[in-house]
Amino acid sequence: GAVVSQHPSWVICKSGTSVKIECRSLDFQATTMFWYRQFPKQSLMLMATSNEGSKATYEQGVEKDKFLINHASLTLSTLTVTSAHPEDSSFYICSARLGQGLGQPQHFGDGTRLSIL
Amino acid sequence: GENVEQHPSTLSVQEGDSAVIKCTYSDSASNYFPWYKQELGKRPQLIIDIRSNVGEKKDQRIAVTLNKTAKHFSLHITETQPEDSAVYFCAASITSGGGADGLTFGKGTHLIIQP
Repeated sequence: GAVVSQHPSWVICKSGTSVKIECRSLDFQATTMFWYRQFPKQSLMLMATSNEGSKATYEQGVEKDKFLINHASLTLSTLTVTSAHPEDSSFYICSARLGQGLGQPQHFGDGTRLSIL
Repeated sequence: GENVEQHPSTLSVQEGDSAVIKCTYSDSASNYFPWYKQELGKRPQLIIDIRSNVGEKKDQRIAVTLNKTAKHFSLHITETQPEDSAVYFCAASITSGGGADGLTFGKGTHLIIQP
């Protein structure tokens, strides 16, 4: 149980392109999902918290107009990197929290490797 | 905001020996502390977690201890095996029922098990 699917796994595109990444909880409902970014050999940095049916909460320094998040259903959150540039190249990974209780674990998707040429 | 420090950055141990990774956190309100294992190019996998109302938790060869007063927690792996080689991340968050609880991660420890 607690499977999180992320798609696509790899994207290579030209500068200026917008890229949409999907995060799905396959066998559970997730009212809250999270988006992280990981540079090579570095840690995961929380970008934003995605709440079903409401606006996402962005961490300090993350541009909400650059990284659009939509959480339209209890099993799907999307991250759109708008007008992507080479500095946006990174590993983007989502997680979904199982349940609402205190300290419920987060389960991660496989991540999306984004390369902007 | 929360700040999580993790040490060491690299740890090399002989197969069969124990490995210990330590983390400290800054926000005394943090109450949930998971540990993740990440192999190269793969997703982080939750290996164990501890909540602030517990001082120690064990799952077979893996154990985690928490000292709330000192604001540090540690991962202990006993009888290490080659498949334990990976990058391990500690994390901390402030959780409440229904509330957002994004994780603040440490910088990671590259654990190398020498055969």
